[in-house]
Amino acid sequence: DAGVIQSPRHEVTEMGQEVTLRCKPISGHDYLFWYRQTMMRGLELLIYFNNNVPIDDSGMPEDRFSAKMPNASFSTLKIQPSEPRDSAVYFCASSGQATQDTEAFFGQGTRLTVV
Amino acid sequence: KQEVTQIPAALSVPEGENLVLNCSFTDSAIYNLQWFRQDPGKGLTSLLLIQSSQREQTSGRLNASLDKSSGRSTLYIAASQPGDSATYLCAVPKSGNTPLVFGKGTRLSVIA
Repeated sequence: DAGVIQSPRHEVTEMGQEVTLRCKPISGHDYLFWYRQTMMRGLELLIYFNNNVPIDDSGMPEDRFSAKMPNASFSTLKIQPSEPRDSAVYFCASSGQATQDTEAFFGQGTRLTVV
Repeated sequence: KQEVTQIPAALSVPEGENLVLNCSFTDSAIYNLQWFRQDPGKGLTSLLLIQSSQREQTSGRLNASLDKSSGRSTLYIAASQPGDSATYLCAVPKSGNTPLVFGKGTRLSVIA
């Protein structure tokens, strides 16, 4: 498997524009997680899905953020409208069924810069 | 609420030295603990996973230990090399596949 695939790797956009980040989880994984990483706050969970259903979106900072998982192999994180403070690295991760040796696997991230 | 703390925040050592990175967590009811490595501008690579019933895990020059009762884990790196330079993060889920809670990491520099 190619691992968790995110696109784009880098995104530069102007304030007020819509931004869509994409993620393809590892095939067969039931859980998908979206995280945001900043220098100040480290890695923070935004939302996660189980079997394509959103389970906890309490980490989504504002209504400007939304996430979908229309099928088991694809998820999007959308920011509309974007603001400079949204600049960060956004990671997607996936994992399989819950056992004690279940690992989470991360994508390479999308570096978002809002100017 | 689970909180994860990593000390030190940064560490610089000469090549060949053995070193220990520390991780502590506030809620000991964890399912497992994972150590990750992150290179600059890159994603997270899983290094070791310790199940809650285990005391340690080893992979090559890396050894991770877990003491649930005291809420601590350590990552031991033997005979450090410049290629080990990276940020090391530890993370715990509260149970099952509840999302990982991360520490802020230890930035390691190994000087040749």
